[in-house]
Amino acid sequence: SQQGEEDPQALSIQEGENATMNCSYKTSINNLQWYRQNSGRGLVHLILIRSNEREKHSGRLRVTLDTSKKSSSLLITASRAADTASYFCATDSGNTPLVFGKGTRLSVIA
Amino acid sequence: EADIYQTPRYLVIGTGKKITLECSQTMGHDKMYWYQQDPGMELHLIHYSYGVNSTEKGDLSSESTVSRIRTEHFPLTLESARPSHTSQYLCASRSNADRGNTIYFGEGSWLTVV
Repeated sequence: SQQGEEDPQALSIQEGENATMNCSYKTSINNLQWYRQNSGRGLVHLILIRSNEREKHSGRLRVTLDTSKKSSSLLITASRAADTASYFCATDSGNTPLVFGKGTRLSVIA
Repeated sequence: EADIYQTPRYLVIGTGKKITLECSQTMGHDKMYWYQQDPGMELHLIHYSYGVNSTEKGDLSSESTVSRIRTEHFPLTLESARPSHTSQYLCASRSNADRGNTIYFGEGSWLTVV
């Protein structure tokens, strides 16, 4: 399995601080995606980074990908209480279902 | 907003009962998936389908079954529910035409077996 592993498992920060979550995986990928899950809800796609990309931005989100280290990071800048959620990375290696990691639970304290 | 719907959202049933969780999407997606997720835990793929009359088992062994008779519909059935089946079940879909392989999720079905 090339399941992604997020780090840390849980993160608690103050509003306005930046939050960084990391994801490691085991095999070659076509792309890596980050998803967000509010408590008790389904997952929502945040951002996708392809294997030939190193960095991508979307609003307050910044994703990096290092294929040599098989790792990715998600940075949320100027966090808000509404960013409180679980964040999952998912790896795609072709015509197989995405494999999700265990997630990072982010708590942003107002 | 993704057009993928799951019913029921919440269900409490007795041990031994048969239950079908419904999932429908109006996006014309070929690929559909069922994930099982305990609260605060990781997602486990239990079934997927790449089109009508195509179904596959996922990474996690499950006593449930699925069918794909129509593109838009991917129901999951438990013939005899047990307390160990208590969990959240998430349905998802993706278009073959989406090179980005983005998955769209439903809101989930919370099943409690007593």
